[in-house]
Amino acid sequence: GAGVSQTPSNKVTEKGKYVELRCDPISGHTALYWYRQSLGQGPEFLIYFQGTGAADDSGLPNDRFFAVRPEGSVSTLKIQRTERGDSAVYLCASSLYSGASTDTQYFGPGTRLTVL
Amino acid sequence: KQEVTQIPAALSVPEGENLVLNCSFTDSAIYNLQWFRQDPGKGLTSLLLIQSSQREQTSGRLNASLDKSSGRSTLYIAASQPGDSATYLCAVENSGYALNFGKGTSLLVTP
Repeated sequence: GAGVSQTPSNKVTEKGKYVELRCDPISGHTALYWYRQSLGQGPEFLIYFQGTGAADDSGLPNDRFFAVRPEGSVSTLKIQRTERGDSAVYLCASSLYSGASTDTQYFGPGTRLTVL
Repeated sequence: KQEVTQIPAALSVPEGENLVLNCSFTDSAIYNLQWFRQDPGKGLTSLLLIQSSQREQTSGRLNASLDKSSGRSTLYIAASQPGDSATYLCAVENSGYALNFGKGTSLLVTP
């Protein structure tokens, strides 16, 4: 079956521009997560959706970052006025439930964002 | 705030050796601990998930242990192969959803 997919795989943009990153979770997974992985670091949590609502967005670094999941499936991470420090790999994951100790998160291949 | 540390940062071994990767965490109030594998340019693949009530999990040549009270986990890889070369990430779940990752151990298995 299809796994988590993310588009684009690579995105190069200029400082100050707006970007959108898309995540298609595994069908039927109600929970969706965004993480950011900088070079040489482990992924860092950004935001978690349960269904259509953002249950926890405490990991978003500032108000330039915003994410939506309007129909409880596809999610879009939006970054306004991009800065060079936003350059990283943005990973999306989904899971069947949340709050269960056996709930495995399945990750997509990521979008590599480069801000020039 | 949960801090996850992985040692060593990098490891190179000849094919066939058994090896141990270490993970430590500061907050023992966890839901579970997971070990992931990450290949260059690719996403993460879950290898093993240990629930907070469990002590270990096994899958093929992989065995992961958890000592929650001391805040430690180990990933044991038996009879390593060149195809095992990748970065191995340890992640702890405290909240029921957000994973806290270490920086990973980069493993190279040479033929």
